[in-house]
Amino acid sequence: KNEVEQSPQNLTAQEGEFITINCSYSVGISALHWLQQHPGGGIVSLFMLSSGKKKHGRLIATINIQEKHSSLHITASHPRDSAVYICAVVPWSGNTPLVFGKGTRLSVIA
Amino acid sequence: DVKVTQSSRYLVKRTGEKVFLECVQDMDHENMFWYRQDPGLGLRLIYFSYDVKMKEKGDIPEGYSVSREKKERFSLILESASTNQTSMYLCASSLTGQGAYEQYFGPGTRLTVT
Repeated sequence: KNEVEQSPQNLTAQEGEFITINCSYSVGISALHWLQQHPGGGIVSLFMLSSGKKKHGRLIATINIQEKHSSLHITASHPRDSAVYICAVVPWSGNTPLVFGKGTRLSVIA
Repeated sequence: DVKVTQSSRYLVKRTGEKVFLECVQDMDHENMFWYRQDPGLGLRLIYFSYDVKMKEKGDIPEGYSVSREKKERFSLILESASTNQTSMYLCASSLTGQGAYEQYFGPGTRLTVT
């Protein structure tokens, strides 16, 4: 079952480029998380959103609940943005854990 | 500063050994989770717990068990380690209400079973 699909799987960008990572899901959700994992393992939460748009520094996350789609944008990308970005959804179906996408591996080249 | 710690960053065990992975959180969170992460497969949920002495199977519980005797500690047990359990293991915790709250992750334990 692939309830959460991310695209692309891998992305290489030049420093300064505008980057978009997409997340589509097939289940009804109450919220969606974007997570970041740097080489070495540690995962940190970037955003949790249930509607509209959120911005933090150069990162912007949007969600369209009707279309079951979210995007993570990075403006003026930098090599330190190189990481795996993971989308995870909170299903409506009661007390169930997060459902994760497989991640998008981003490499930003100077 | 919130913190989730795991007992080891790297672990090498032999096939058939019993393996304990420990996770401790200092945030008084009700929920705790164990995941494994493999290339191309992403994060997969092994077990989770909503409260002390409670446990629920995740997507891939076979070959694993868990223990939660205290609120802050959630242990993952491999009763008889096998080579296909070589993986990165990540622990996480959150407030009750599941995904309604941010999950905080530990640094991970890279387990190699030879």
